[in-house]
Amino acid sequence: DTAVSQTPKYLVTQMGNDKSIKCEQNLGHDTMYWYKQDSKKFLKIMFSYNNKELIINETVPNRFSPKSPDKAHLNLHINSLELGDSAVYFCASSQDRLLTYEQYFGPGTRLTVT
Amino acid sequence: GENVEQHPSTLSVQEGDSAVIKCTYSDSASNYFPWYKQELGKGPQLIIDIRSNVGEKKDQRIAVTLNKTAKHFSLHITETQPEDSAVYFCAASYSSASKIIFGSGTRLSIRP
Repeated sequence: DTAVSQTPKYLVTQMGNDKSIKCEQNLGHDTMYWYKQDSKKFLKIMFSYNNKELIINETVPNRFSPKSPDKAHLNLHINSLELGDSAVYFCASSQDRLLTYEQYFGPGTRLTVT
Repeated sequence: GENVEQHPSTLSVQEGDSAVIKCTYSDSASNYFPWYKQELGKGPQLIIDIRSNVGEKKDQRIAVTLNKTAKHFSLHITETQPEDSAVYFCAASYSSASKIIFGSGTRLSIRP
C-alpha cells in the first residue's frame, strides 16, 4: 500500500486555468504538508495542516488554497495559473506537528503551465 | 529565521570511493538534522537523522556527524554503489519551529 499518494502525477494546463491536486495518506499521521520544488530542485514548504487546522502558511500567493477535509487528506487548489507556478508539488505527512519527526513524501505532481 | 547551506551542489565519485556532503545552519535552536535522498521521479525519503544530543550516528554505509559549536553537519557515504546516485538534501529544524528548512541539494553521481 502506498503511504502518501498524490493525483495526478502529471498536470499540463494553460495560463489562467484553475486546477487541483489531491493528496491522501494512510499512515494515520496528524500533520500534512505541501512543498514546491522548482527546476533547480530547491524544496520549499508552502502549507502545513495539523488535524485539519492550518498551522503553516508561507508567503504563498492567495491563488493557492489548501483544503483538508479530514486529517488523511490535504488538497491544493490553484486559481489563475501562471507560468511561474510550473514546478513539482510534493505532499508529505508526519506523525505530528513537532518538526523533529520523519516526513513521508508522496511521489510528486509535475505541473506544467503553458 | 533558519538558513541551511549545502555543499557541493554536484559531486561525482568513483564506485567504491567515499562521498561527503556538508551543511551549515544558522539557528542555534535547531536540534534535529535529517538527511533525505531523492531518486529520479520520486519524492524525498529519509535516510538518516541526528539530534543535537548526539555527535555521530551510523547506519551501515551511511554516517552523519554534527558539530553544534560550529553549526556544521555532514553526510558520509562509504563504499559507494550505483544505487547511491541521487539528489541528497540536508535539513534543520527544532520541535517548536514553524517549519523545517532544507538545504539546496547535492546531486551525487557514482561513476562505474
